[in-house]
Amino acid sequence: DAGVIQSPRHEVTEMGQEVTLRCKPISGHNSLFWYRQTMMRGLELLIYFNNNVPIDDSGMPEDRFSAKMPNASFSTLKIQPSEPRDSAVYFCASTPGPSLSGANVLTFGAGSRLTVL
Amino acid sequence: SQQGEEDPQALSIQEGENATMNCSYKTSINNLQWYRQNSGRGLVHLILIRSNEREKHSGRLRVTLDTSKKSSSLLITASRAADTASYFCATDVGGSNYKLTFGKGTLLTVNP
Repeated sequence: DAGVIQSPRHEVTEMGQEVTLRCKPISGHNSLFWYRQTMMRGLELLIYFNNNVPIDDSGMPEDRFSAKMPNASFSTLKIQPSEPRDSAVYFCASTPGPSLSGANVLTFGAGSRLTVL
Repeated sequence: SQQGEEDPQALSIQEGENATMNCSYKTSINNLQWYRQNSGRGLVHLILIRSNEREKHSGRLRVTLDTSKKSSSLLITASRAADTASYFCATDVGGSNYKLTFGKGTLLTVNP
């Protein structure tokens, strides 16, 4: 398995532009997470999907952010319009699914580094 | 707010030495995990320890958990230059079966 695939790896855009980040989870994994990493705030959970359904989007910073998972093998995170403070590394991660034991081990993608000028 | 806080923020050692990193957390947990992140890469799971366990080993890694002190430590023995990375602890918030909260990490530099 190629692991969790994210694209683009790097994105530089200007303030006000729309940004779309993409993620392909590991085949057979039913849970997908979007995280954002910055020096100031560390890793923050943005949204969690289970079986393609958004379960927890409480971490999505504001209405400019939206995420979709149209099928089990693809998810997008969109920022419209983008702002300089959105500059961060965005990670997608997947797991087989919620664990009864609570042990949720994540497999991360390589991340998408976003710079908004 | 951060659930897990790693200490120290940065650690520099010589190859062959042991490296110890600590993590403190605030609320009760079912399990605690440690992840490694190499520069420019995603996080990689290293080891998981459950709340009813006190110590766990995996190769050169040793993890301890003290639930009374709400703390954990990660020991890397006989460090190598390839161990240079950031190390993060992650806890399940309030026993959640999906939500992991990460600390800000310890940057470990192993000098050859």
